[in-house]
Amino acid sequence: EDQVTQSPEALRLQEGESSSLNCSYTVSGLRGLFWYRQDPGKGPEFLFTLYSAGEEKEKERLKATLTKKESFLHITAPKPEDSATYLCAVVGGAQKLVFGQGTRLTINP
Amino acid sequence: DAMVIQNPRYQVTQFGKPVTLSCSQTLNHNVMYWYQQKSSQAPKLLFHYYDKDFNNEADTPDNFQSRRPNTSFCFLDIRSPGLGDAAMYLCAIGRKLDTEAFFGQGTRLTVV
Repeated sequence: EDQVTQSPEALRLQEGESSSLNCSYTVSGLRGLFWYRQDPGKGPEFLFTLYSAGEEKEKERLKATLTKKESFLHITAPKPEDSATYLCAVVGGAQKLVFGQGTRLTINP
Repeated sequence: DAMVIQNPRYQVTQFGKPVTLSCSQTLNHNVMYWYQQKSSQAPKLLFHYYDKDFNNEADTPDNFQSRRPNTSFCFLDIRSPGLGDAAMYLCAIGRKLDTEAFFGQGTRLTVV
């Protein structure tokens, strides 16, 4: 069964303090790994797709990377508006989009 | 413009009273998903369609059913809602099963 574990569960940073969120996965044949942002009371908003180890994607202050066992979401010089829950999801051989529990990120001004 | 539209945004239903949640899309994507998300938990897959092919997760309660009458619309029916079914219900679409999914804003279901 495909599994996704995200760490830490919660992270509190000061504005401008860079950090990384981790997504570890166990799948039978990775077909794709996806990062989403979710604000309270709203649906997840798509950020990135990664398909193979070594791949990187960037958008504004966010950068996603992928290895054979895990993905990182690096956030550089975050701002308070980056506060949200960040979800990681994978599709493996079972052809199902499976989510991790998410990391709740808070950026203090 | 929203690609996935869920109605209603908020739904209050009585214990045991059937309820239907709806989802529509503007992109004609083949895949449509229904997820259940409880507070501070991961979205949990209930069903998905690839075109007309329906896939029910093994642990989805029998109380939950789904219909997809055409490419654009999908419905989630809860036949006899219990207090434990209170949650956010998320609809999502995708071109294929291994591509990114785009979510609607969700329907928050309250059972009283």
